Amino acid sequence: QLHLQESGPGLVKPSETLSLTCTVSGGSISTSSYYWGWIRQPPGKGLEWIGRIHYSGSTDDNPSLKSRVTISIDTSKNQFSLKLTSVTAADTAVYFCAREVRGDGYGDYGMDVWGQGTTVAVSS
Amino acid sequence: DIQMTQSPSSLSASVGDSVTITCRASQSITYFLNWYQHKPGKAPKLLIYAASSLLSGVPSRFSGDGSGTDFTLTITSLQPEDFATYYCQQSYSTPRTFGQGTKVEVK
Repeated sequence: QLHLQESGPGLVKPSETLSLTCTVSGGSISTSSYYWGWIRQPPGKGLEWIGRIHYSGSTDDNPSLKSRVTISIDTSKNQFSLKLTSVTAADTAVYFCAREVRGDGYGDYGMDVWGQGTTVAVSS
Repeated sequence: DIQMTQSPSSLSASVGDSVTITCRASQSITYFLNWYQHKPGKAPKLLIYAASSLLSGVPSRFSGDGSGTDFTLTITSLQPEDFATYYCQQSYSTPRTFGQGTKVEVK
Protein backbone atom coordinates (compact mmCIF):
# COMPACT_ATOMS: atom_id res chain seq x y z
CA GLN A 1 0.00 0.00 0.00
CA LEU A 2 1.43 3.35 -1.03
CA HIS A 3 2.22 5.78 1.79
CA LEU A 4 3.28 9.42 1.58
CA GLN A 5 4.85 11.27 4.50
CA GLU A 6 5.70 14.96 4.68
CA SER A 7 8.65 16.17 6.74
CA GLY A 8 10.28 19.49 7.45
CA PRO A 9 10.42 22.39 9.91
CA GLY A 10 7.19 23.41 11.56
CA LEU A 11 8.31 27.01 11.96
CA VAL A 12 9.90 29.28 9.37
CA LYS A 13 10.88 32.92 9.78
CA PRO A 14 9.44 35.58 7.46
CA SER A 15 11.50 36.17 4.29
CA GLU A 16 13.19 32.76 4.65
CA THR A 17 12.67 29.59 2.60
CA LEU A 18 10.19 26.88 3.51
CA SER A 19 11.54 23.42 2.67
CA LEU A 20 9.51 20.24 2.83
CA THR A 21 10.13 16.68 1.67
CA CYS A 22 7.63 13.97 0.85
CA THR A 23 8.86 10.42 1.25
CA VAL A 24 7.04 7.78 -0.76
CA SER A 25 6.98 4.22 0.54
CA GLY A 26 5.25 1.07 -0.65
CA GLY A 27 5.82 1.88 -4.30
CA SER A 28 8.18 3.58 -6.71
CA ILE A 29 8.13 7.26 -7.47
CA SER A 30 9.71 6.48 -10.84
CA THR A 31 6.59 5.68 -12.79
CA SER A 32 5.20 7.49 -15.78
CA SER A 33 1.63 6.94 -14.57
CA TYR A 34 1.65 9.58 -11.86
CA TYR A 35 2.52 13.11 -10.92
CA TRP A 36 3.66 14.05 -7.42
CA GLY A 37 2.20 17.22 -6.04
CA TRP A 38 1.93 19.70 -3.20
CA ILE A 39 -1.28 21.24 -1.89
CA ARG A 40 -1.81 23.50 1.11
CA GLN A 41 -4.63 24.67 3.35
CA PRO A 42 -4.25 27.93 5.26
CA PRO A 43 -6.08 28.09 8.61
CA GLY A 44 -9.82 28.41 8.08
CA LYS A 45 -9.51 28.36 4.30
CA GLY A 46 -9.83 25.92 1.43
CA LEU A 47 -7.35 23.85 -0.52
CA GLU A 48 -4.77 25.51 -2.75
CA TRP A 49 -2.69 23.63 -5.34
CA ILE A 50 0.97 24.56 -5.22
CA GLY A 51 2.47 22.45 -7.98
CA ARG A 52 3.56 19.02 -9.18
CA ILE A 53 6.44 17.08 -10.65
CA HIS A 54 6.76 14.03 -12.86
CA TYR A 55 9.58 11.53 -12.33
CA SER A 56 11.02 12.75 -15.65
CA GLY A 57 11.60 16.09 -13.92
CA SER A 58 8.91 18.12 -15.67
CA THR A 59 7.10 20.48 -13.33
CA ASP A 60 4.05 22.71 -13.17
CA ASP A 61 3.35 25.24 -10.47
CA ASN A 62 0.77 27.83 -9.51
CA PRO A 63 1.43 31.28 -10.98
CA SER A 64 -0.32 32.80 -7.95
CA LEU A 65 2.81 31.97 -5.95
CA LYS A 66 4.79 34.33 -8.17
CA SER A 67 7.73 32.08 -9.06
CA ARG A 68 8.60 31.39 -5.41
CA VAL A 69 8.13 27.64 -5.84
CA THR A 70 10.69 24.99 -6.70
CA ILE A 71 9.68 21.33 -6.79
CA SER A 72 12.33 18.68 -7.23
CA ILE A 73 12.52 14.90 -7.22
CA ASP A 74 15.11 12.41 -5.98
CA THR A 75 14.27 9.04 -7.48
CA SER A 76 17.16 7.35 -5.65
CA LYS A 77 15.53 8.24 -2.32
CA ASN A 78 11.92 7.93 -3.54
CA GLN A 79 11.31 11.49 -2.41
CA PHE A 80 10.17 14.78 -3.83
CA SER A 81 10.56 18.19 -2.29
CA LEU A 82 9.09 21.67 -2.13
CA LYS A 83 10.93 24.91 -1.63
CA LEU A 84 8.96 28.13 -1.18
CA THR A 85 11.06 31.27 -0.95
CA SER A 86 10.44 34.65 0.69
CA VAL A 87 7.68 33.35 2.94
CA THR A 88 5.23 35.58 4.78
CA ALA A 89 2.50 34.91 7.32
CA ALA A 90 0.19 34.20 4.38
CA ASP A 91 2.18 31.01 3.75
CA THR A 92 1.19 29.59 7.13
CA ALA A 93 -0.76 26.43 6.31
CA VAL A 94 -1.04 22.68 6.48
CA TYR A 95 1.01 21.35 3.58
CA PHE A 96 0.05 18.08 1.93
CA CYS A 97 1.87 15.98 -0.62
CA ALA A 98 -0.19 13.80 -2.93
CA ARG A 99 -0.08 11.49 -5.92
CA GLU A 100 -2.04 12.54 -9.01
CA VAL A 101 -3.11 9.96 -11.56
CA ARG A 102 -1.89 10.87 -15.03
CA GLY A 103 -4.46 10.81 -17.78
CA ASP A 104 -4.42 10.22 -21.51
CA GLY A 105 -3.29 13.65 -22.61
CA TYR A 106 -6.53 15.63 -22.31
CA GLY A 107 -6.59 15.76 -18.52
CA ASP A 108 -5.77 13.81 -15.38
CA TYR A 109 -7.69 11.78 -12.85
CA GLY A 110 -7.42 13.28 -9.39
CA MET A 111 -5.14 12.96 -6.38
CA ASP A 112 -5.74 9.51 -5.00
CA VAL A 113 -3.10 9.12 -2.29
CA TRP A 114 -2.24 11.87 0.19
CA GLY A 115 0.15 12.37 3.05
CA GLN A 116 -1.29 13.22 6.44
CA GLY A 117 -0.14 16.83 6.15
CA THR A 118 2.35 18.91 8.07
CA THR A 119 1.68 22.27 9.68
CA VAL A 120 4.06 25.08 8.85
CA ALA A 121 3.85 28.40 10.65
CA VAL A 122 5.63 31.49 9.42
CA SER A 123 6.57 33.67 12.35
CA SER A 124 9.55 35.48 13.80
CA ASP B 1 -6.94 29.92 -14.41
CA ILE B 2 -10.19 27.96 -14.33
CA GLN B 3 -12.43 29.13 -11.48
CA MET B 4 -14.47 26.52 -9.64
CA THR B 5 -17.59 27.64 -7.81
CA GLN B 6 -19.39 25.34 -5.39
CA SER B 7 -22.80 25.73 -3.86
CA PRO B 8 -23.99 25.79 -1.23
CA SER B 9 -21.04 26.75 0.98
CA SER B 10 -22.67 24.82 3.81
CA LEU B 11 -25.74 22.72 4.43
CA SER B 12 -27.40 21.04 7.39
CA ALA B 13 -28.77 17.54 7.05
CA SER B 14 -29.77 14.52 9.09
CA VAL B 15 -28.60 10.93 8.94
CA GLY B 16 -30.55 9.23 6.16
CA ASP B 17 -31.06 12.39 4.10
CA SER B 18 -29.92 12.79 0.52
CA VAL B 19 -27.82 15.85 -0.29
CA THR B 20 -26.56 17.35 -3.54
CA ILE B 21 -23.64 19.71 -3.98
CA THR B 22 -23.07 21.57 -7.22
CA CYS B 23 -19.85 22.74 -8.81
CA ARG B 24 -19.51 25.04 -11.79
CA ALA B 25 -16.36 25.64 -13.81
CA SER B 26 -15.63 28.98 -15.46
CA GLN B 27 -15.00 27.17 -18.76
CA SER B 28 -15.52 23.69 -20.09
CA ILE B 29 -13.39 21.06 -18.38
CA THR B 30 -15.10 18.19 -20.24
CA TYR B 31 -15.25 15.46 -17.59
CA PHE B 32 -12.03 16.20 -15.70
CA LEU B 33 -13.72 16.94 -12.40
CA ASN B 34 -12.91 15.29 -9.08
CA TRP B 35 -14.62 15.29 -5.68
CA TYR B 36 -12.86 15.05 -2.32
CA GLN B 37 -14.06 14.58 1.25
CA HIS B 38 -12.04 16.38 3.91
CA LYS B 39 -12.30 16.01 7.66
CA PRO B 40 -10.39 18.21 10.15
CA GLY B 41 -6.90 16.96 10.88
CA LYS B 42 -7.05 14.36 8.12
CA ALA B 43 -5.88 14.16 4.55
CA PRO B 44 -8.45 14.86 1.85
CA LYS B 45 -9.90 11.70 0.39
CA LEU B 46 -10.64 11.29 -3.32
CA LEU B 47 -14.20 10.02 -3.78
CA ILE B 48 -14.99 10.51 -7.44
CA TYR B 49 -12.78 11.19 -10.46
CA ALA B 50 -13.62 11.95 -14.07
CA ALA B 51 -16.94 13.44 -12.94
CA SER B 52 -18.71 10.15 -12.25
CA SER B 53 -16.19 7.36 -11.59
CA LEU B 54 -16.26 6.09 -8.03
CA LEU B 55 -12.85 5.36 -6.57
CA SER B 56 -12.48 1.76 -5.45
CA GLY B 57 -13.61 1.33 -1.86
CA VAL B 58 -15.83 4.41 -1.78
CA PRO B 59 -19.42 3.59 -0.76
CA SER B 60 -21.97 3.56 -3.56
CA ARG B 61 -24.11 6.16 -1.78
CA PHE B 62 -21.70 8.70 -3.32
CA SER B 63 -22.31 9.56 -6.96
CA GLY B 64 -21.18 12.22 -9.38
CA ASP B 65 -22.63 13.59 -12.57
CA GLY B 66 -22.05 16.29 -15.13
CA SER B 67 -19.84 17.40 -17.95
CA GLY B 68 -18.63 20.60 -19.52
CA THR B 69 -19.09 23.24 -16.83
CA ASP B 70 -21.76 21.88 -14.47
CA PHE B 71 -21.30 19.01 -12.05
CA THR B 72 -23.00 17.51 -9.02
CA LEU B 73 -22.06 15.30 -6.11
CA THR B 74 -24.93 13.43 -4.49
CA ILE B 75 -24.83 11.53 -1.23
CA THR B 76 -27.86 9.34 -0.70
CA SER B 77 -28.77 8.11 2.77
CA LEU B 78 -26.24 10.26 4.61
CA GLN B 79 -24.24 8.37 7.23
CA PRO B 80 -22.65 9.78 10.42
CA GLU B 81 -19.18 9.46 8.89
CA ASP B 82 -20.21 11.61 5.90
CA PHE B 83 -20.32 14.87 7.84
CA ALA B 84 -17.30 16.67 6.43
CA THR B 85 -16.29 19.31 3.92
CA TYR B 86 -16.46 18.41 0.23
CA TYR B 87 -14.35 19.99 -2.50
CA CYS B 88 -14.56 19.79 -6.25
CA GLN B 89 -11.34 20.15 -8.24
CA GLN B 90 -10.63 20.39 -11.94
CA SER B 91 -7.84 18.32 -13.46
CA TYR B 92 -8.27 19.62 -17.03
CA SER B 93 -5.48 22.17 -16.91
CA THR B 94 -2.86 23.64 -14.62
CA PRO B 95 -2.93 25.33 -12.25
CA ARG B 96 -5.28 22.85 -10.64
CA THR B 97 -8.09 24.68 -8.87
CA PHE B 98 -10.53 23.69 -6.15
CA GLY B 99 -13.97 24.91 -5.30
CA GLN B 100 -14.25 26.79 -2.02
CA GLY B 101 -15.75 23.78 -0.26
CA THR B 102 -19.16 22.73 1.03
CA LYS B 103 -19.45 21.89 4.70
CA VAL B 104 -22.06 19.22 5.42
CA GLU B 105 -23.17 19.64 9.01
CA VAL B 106 -25.50 17.81 11.34
CA LYS B 107 -28.96 19.33 11.49
